[in-house]
Amino acid sequence: AQKVTQAQTEISVVEKEDVTLDCVYETRDTTYYLFWYKQPPSGELVFLIRRNSFDEQNEISGRYSWNFQKSTSSFNFTITASQVVDSAVYFCALSEAWDSSYKLIFGSGTRLLVRP
Amino acid sequence: DTEVTQTPKHLVMGMTNKKSLKCEQHMGHRAMYWYKQKAKKPPELMFVYSYEKLSINESVPSRFSPECPNSSLLNLHLHALQPEDSALYLCASIGASNEKLFFGSGTQLSVL
Repeated sequence: AQKVTQAQTEISVVEKEDVTLDCVYETRDTTYYLFWYKQPPSGELVFLIRRNSFDEQNEISGRYSWNFQKSTSSFNFTITASQVVDSAVYFCALSEAWDSSYKLIFGSGTRLLVRP
Repeated sequence: DTEVTQTPKHLVMGMTNKKSLKCEQHMGHRAMYWYKQKAKKPPELMFVYSYEKLSINESVPSRFSPECPNSSLLNLHLHALQPEDSALYLCASIGASNEKLFFGSGTQLSVL
């Protein structure tokens, strides 16, 4: 069975600090996909990144970076120089299938509060 | 147009009411989803429609009835709901490129 664990329930930082959100996953499949979504107070889930299990290359997008390590089943997300607008709930998610029966399973989420 | 549009944004209904949630996308996506999200919890999958056919029902109670009239529309018909069904209902869609699920902003439902 697949499972996503986000052990950090809530993180509070001061603006301009760097912050890392942890994500640990469990799956029996060799082919799977990992995601990060952001959910601001407005409620909409905003896609941040998708990574497949065969691509362990880390990725950087502006102030965001992701560290995928299959050896530890982790897919951590770092925000550099955080800003107040980064305040939101961040979900890590996993899918074992990528077809018409695709299912995205979410972790419990990490609430990030960036204080001015 | 890269949006998933959900209406209404807010809905209050009694336990004897019948109401419907609507979801629309014009991105030509092949699959559409309903998720339910309780406060401070992650979204939970309810239904998946693929090419307008129901492909996944996550053992959702029959008081929730999905409908996919065409490839752009997804409805969720509600009848005889309970107060514990109060939640944010999110619609999502995915295209042939399979890059990501696009989510709508949701309908905040309150059952009195």
